[in-house]
Amino acid sequence: GEDVEQSLFLSVREGDSSVINCTYTDSSSTYLYWYKQEPGAGLQLLTYIFSNMDMKQDQRLTVLLNKKDKHLSLRIADTQTGDSAIYFCAEIPGDKIIFGKGTRLHILP
Amino acid sequence: DAGVTQSPTHLIKTRGQHVTLRCSPISGHKSVSWYQQVLGQGPQFIFQYYEKEERGRGNFPDRFSARQFPNYSSELNVNALLLGDSALYLCASSRDIHSTDTQYFGPGTRLTVL
Repeated sequence: GEDVEQSLFLSVREGDSSVINCTYTDSSSTYLYWYKQEPGAGLQLLTYIFSNMDMKQDQRLTVLLNKKDKHLSLRIADTQTGDSAIYFCAEIPGDKIIFGKGTRLHILP
Repeated sequence: DAGVTQSPTHLIKTRGQHVTLRCSPISGHKSVSWYQQVLGQGPQFIFQYYEKEERGRGNFPDRFSARQFPNYSSELNVNALLLGDSALYLCASSRDIHSTDTQYFGPGTRLTVL
């Protein structure tokens, strides 16, 4: 079936790197996405990776894709207090987005 | 350019009532999708509309319905509200209906059912 799994919570010190992991089930997804949701807000598209790529870098964000293991990760370099949010991994098998439950990133001073 | 807009931002209803939520997509986007996000969960797909036709439906009861207008805006209707319908309802628009089209989300409507 369709399922996206993420760890629910991650705590990181300010200035360190954050790595948020995700596993998905459907290998037919052409793109895989990372969305960010701040408290009380909608979802903000952070970045996405095409399924035939292994890595994509966008400023402080690095996405790694292991298609064989259906594993996706988001690395945030030099984590800042403004990065505190819930991060959702998502795949699109067919006509709808399947989201994970989200990883809450907490920044320690 | 304006992003996806939704109205109202907050809404309180009682059990048994019905509700209509509204969404305006990004200019030039023809597809609108609706999602329900219960507290502590990821968004769950409800509907996708494209060119005024329903093109996808999630696992939601018939109490949920939607439509898309000629200007591509959309309404989500929920009848006979239950306490469990309390959630953040998100609208997303995309340029077309292809799976490669990125969906952009609005800020959501928070519905509370008492």
